[in-house]
Amino acid sequence: QQQVKQSPQSLIVQKGGISIINCAYENTAFDYFPWYQQFPGKGPALLIAIRPDVSEKKEGRFTISFNKSAKQFSLHIMDSQPGDSATYFCAADDSQAGTALIFGKGTTLSVSS
Amino acid sequence: DAGITQSPRHKVTETGTPVTLRCHQTENHRYMYWYRQDPGHGLRLIHYSYGVKDTDKGEVSDGYSVSRSKTEDFLLTLESATSSQTSVYFCAISELGYEQFFGPGTRLTVL
Repeated sequence: QQQVKQSPQSLIVQKGGISIINCAYENTAFDYFPWYQQFPGKGPALLIAIRPDVSEKKEGRFTISFNKSAKQFSLHIMDSQPGDSATYFCAADDSQAGTALIFGKGTTLSVSS
Repeated sequence: DAGITQSPRHKVTETGTPVTLRCHQTENHRYMYWYRQDPGHGLRLIHYSYGVKDTDKGEVSDGYSVSRSKTEDFLLTLESATSSQTSVYFCAISELGYEQFFGPGTRLTVL
């Protein structure tokens, strides 16, 4: 029940296309859902996060879509660029419980020019 | 990297030797975390701290211990390193306990 399942494991997208990464969770107590971006040799960087009281959050070319009833959330990268090539991790947390983030296993995105 | 430093950044050691990794923050955040990252496993929590001298175990705590004697420092110790502990170790900090910011990582190789 503590798992966060992320798919696909890897993704190749043409420059200018839309990248979509999906995550699913089981624990209905989770109330904070961030996405992290990691470049090789660097630490993960917080990209965007959402709470379950909204169904969508957009920051620039990055959008989180959240479906509470399905217990799924996804990251959409619009107009994907080669500089977006990185590993993306979704995560979930019960922010009231004082526990730590549960991470998905990651998606390696390659944007071809 | 949000005022987080990790030391050393790279370390090669031999099986059976003790190893201590240090995480230092300048943000005065309450929460600090140690994760390990391995291919195919993502980020897995080792231990975390919710205040000075207050720590708790994570998913993969066996073989690791931690200490936090000051707000700014969180130490991870491998009492007797094994080859299975070869990994990249990340420290993270959080003020509120959920929005986490990661350090640059330490690459540890145990021969």
